[in-house]
Amino acid sequence: DQQVKQNSPSLSVQEGRISILNCDYTNSMFDYFLWYKKYPAEGPTFLISISSIKDKNEDGRFTVFLNKSAKHLSLHIVPSQPGDSAVYFCAAHPPTSGSRLTFGEGTQLTVNP
Amino acid sequence: EPEVTQTPSHQVTQMGQEVILRCVPISNHLYFYWYRQILGQKVEFLVSFYNNEISEKSEIFDDQFSVERPDGSNFTLKIRSTKLEDSAMYFCATCPQATHNEQFFGPGTRLTVL
Repeated sequence: DQQVKQNSPSLSVQEGRISILNCDYTNSMFDYFLWYKKYPAEGPTFLISISSIKDKNEDGRFTVFLNKSAKHLSLHIVPSQPGDSAVYFCAAHPPTSGSRLTFGEGTQLTVNP
Repeated sequence: EPEVTQTPSHQVTQMGQEVILRCVPISNHLYFYWYRQILGQKVEFLVSFYNNEISEKSEIFDDQFSVERPDGSNFTLKIRSTKLEDSAMYFCATCPQATHNEQFFGPGTRLTVL
């Protein structure tokens, strides 16, 4: 089951620079997309989301872009900070109420001071 | 800020034993979920629960698994006869209502089956 895929297992950036994490999906029924951040030994923490009726959503240093025709979304973090170092998961679900999240494999982001 | 809590944080059990993982959802949340993450793999959906019944379950959630909300507060996942491959992090998640799509996750229970 590869409905949500994050092709980059890891990403390393310098503090202050932009981090761009990518995610692709195949299920056209998905209409809501989320990014979660996960530190070791903790549960995923919700970061930001976007509905399929939008192509961009911004919250402080975090911006998510959605390209529906390409079935692609990305998370931009700018400026990146060492505390942003974590695993970032892309997740999606269809419009059905209370439906499951389908997760990508995750990308380990390391922000170097 | 309200949060989902889970107990125990780590459970070690022998193969074939029953385990019960507990979750206390955020108050007033209506949808409850269990996910698991085997080491090095994706976070996988197990089951969702709404209005005191299972609303959806994955192919992983076979007859060895069950969920319940015994006292209107705790939300539990029971594995009747654990297998080695059940070793994983188990996460509880809750969601306020259908129109809110963000799920809030607990810290997880690490289950180790020996």
